[in-house]
Amino acid sequence: AQSVTQPDIHITVSEGASLELRCNYSYGATPYLFWYVQSPGQGLQLLLKYFSGDTLVQGIKGFEAEFKRSQSSFNLRKPSVHWSDAAEYFCAGIYGSSNTGKLIFGQGTTLQVKP
Amino acid sequence: KAGVTQTPRYLIKTRGQQVTLSCSPISGHRSVSWYQQTPGQGLQFLFEYFSETQRNKGNFPGRFSGRQFSNSRSEMNVSTLELGDSALYLCASSLGYGGQGDTEAFFGQGTRLTVV
Repeated sequence: AQSVTQPDIHITVSEGASLELRCNYSYGATPYLFWYVQSPGQGLQLLLKYFSGDTLVQGIKGFEAEFKRSQSSFNLRKPSVHWSDAAEYFCAGIYGSSNTGKLIFGQGTTLQVKP
Repeated sequence: KAGVTQTPRYLIKTRGQQVTLSCSPISGHRSVSWYQQTPGQGLQFLFEYFSETQRNKGNFPGRFSGRQFSNSRSEMNVSTLELGDSALYLCASSLGYGGQGDTEAFFGQGTRLTVV
């Protein structure tokens, strides 16, 4: 079945430290891949997206993600975390074709930032 | 340009009642998708509408329905509400025409539904 998995439910990092959030997609046709961020009580904001081509994609707020087909992964990274990055992060994929808006989400990773 | 607008932001309903939520997409977007977000189940896809037609449907009972109007605005309806329907309901819009970039979804702030 098509699925997106985020192995880490909760991550705590110190402000200024680097961050990596993991995301794996189910094996098979490569989906379009996205990372979203959600602040409490808010909707989702798109951080970055991957369709094809260059496997390292840059997003907003200093985030980047690397697509690795061999590992079925699309991990999100940031070199130096700011306290304002504390939020919930969702990896999502669209399978099948571009003729659909159906996003399959991972379970989400809550990021806590220590001062 | 204006983002995705969902109304109302908060709702409290009683078990057995029905509710209608509204979503106005970004101007020019033809696809509207709905998601249910709960602490236990996470973000789950409900359905997608494109040009007034349901294009995709998730695994929800028939009590959950939706529609899209000619101006792309969408409504979802939940009949015979159950306690388990308490959730944040999110709407997302995208261009939807079929190009890669057309899949980029923009989300509204959601409607928080509480069933008592």
